[in-house]
Amino acid sequence: NAGVTQTPKFRVLKTGQSMTLLCAQDMNHEYMYWYRQDPGMGLRLIHYSVGEGTTAKGEVPDGYNVSRLKKQNFLLGLESAAPSQTSVYFCASSYSASSGGTEAFFGQGTRLTVV
Amino acid sequence: AQKITQTQPGMFVQEKEAVTLDCTYDTSDQSYGLFWYKQPSSGEMIFLIYQGSYDEQNATEGRYSLNFQKARKSANLVISASQLGDSAMYFCAMSYSNSGYALNFGKGTSLLVTP
Repeated sequence: NAGVTQTPKFRVLKTGQSMTLLCAQDMNHEYMYWYRQDPGMGLRLIHYSVGEGTTAKGEVPDGYNVSRLKKQNFLLGLESAAPSQTSVYFCASSYSASSGGTEAFFGQGTRLTVV
Repeated sequence: AQKITQTQPGMFVQEKEAVTLDCTYDTSDQSYGLFWYKQPSSGEMIFLIYQGSYDEQNATEGRYSLNFQKARKSANLVISASQLGDSAMYFCAMSYSNSGYALNFGKGTSLLVTP
């Protein structure tokens, strides 16, 4: 039972480098999300997707891009990493939401450090 | 704009006692969902309990119950018979329909259960 899998789990980048975080879910969920977690801030939404081929900006989208070419995968890209992007990144997925939404299933997180 | 407020940065409770973690929210939506997640020191996000805005009865899941007071816009988590393994960060969150039912998180409450 894989659920939501994020790769990699840890990464150190130099300022200006690029990278892609991969999120894969095997629950046939329509909705997928990327969040970042910083100390004392809770989780904040970066981008989200309500279905294959669709993406939208969340609360803190600057410096990130996303793609959802396949229903099961949601990629988060950093084109030119900055120290301010040092954070823990979480991917999540959920069923098609009716009123109020449904439980989101989270990946184990990716700890990214930009030096 | 939606907002989640958790006013208790840290809480202590003795093993086997009950504890209430506070959460208030602000929204103009009529349809929304309220969630509680647990984050142990290992970092994963664990879903605990969900309450829909139209649910008339308070949600319960084992030792967890959600004290939902709609008029006061509060959704407090009650943990009964605390266990040492309950020591963790606890996040209150609300789904918002205009962002694919993504979750808007509070800043969290750190709970320490003592013997």
